[in-house]
Amino acid sequence: QKEVEQNSGPLSVPEGAIASLNCTYSDRVSQSFFWYRQYSGKSPELIMSIYSNGDKEDGRFTAQLNKASQYVSLLIRDSQPSDSATYLCAVLGGYQKVTFGTGTKLQVIP
Amino acid sequence: DTAVSQTPKYLVTQMGNDKSIKCEQNLGHDTMYWYKQDSKKFLKIMFSYNNKELIINETVPNRFSPKSPDKAHLNLHINSLELGDSAVYFCASRMNLNSNQPQHFGDGTRLSIL
Repeated sequence: QKEVEQNSGPLSVPEGAIASLNCTYSDRVSQSFFWYRQYSGKSPELIMSIYSNGDKEDGRFTAQLNKASQYVSLLIRDSQPSDSATYLCAVLGGYQKVTFGTGTKLQVIP
Repeated sequence: DTAVSQTPKYLVTQMGNDKSIKCEQNLGHDTMYWYKQDSKKFLKIMFSYNNKELIINETVPNRFSPKSPDKAHLNLHINSLELGDSAVYFCASRMNLNSNQPQHFGDGTRLSIL
């Protein structure tokens, strides 16, 4: 079992729709969770951090965390073509190791 | 000001050569990382240093040798380069081991082995 799992996609959504990105992790001691966006040929950039169960909203982005289910998700409302990128889930676990998922490629269709 | 800077941005070299990638951060962070991102976009951790000390070494061939002369710098030297080393290498930093804050990434070094 991979430490951090994501569907590789591509996930295609029409412009204006909600994009839902999911991530599961295996390390139960994990306490901090991050979503990064990576455009082709660029470095990962942080979108959201979430540390406690529940929802955290920032503009069009909402991160959701359920530690009991070892599940974290990212919702993007009113998706725009500029949101088309690969979204990486990252988990801070034991020994202060940050592990990334394989990423989900999102395509927003105009 | 660039927070995490890597040099060079591109590196094209032949199999068997030895090369180095440099990384510097001006964020005052204690913890630095090297990641390898292959063609499938998977970011795999290679090494982590905290205040110049190695804390993570993820089954990386010993042809890869990181060096941290001070906590603001983490360089990566690669001996006897192989075709499979072609990838983008990212340096990242984080505040310290007691922090739950995210990493900051450099722009990456694209290494191509001919």
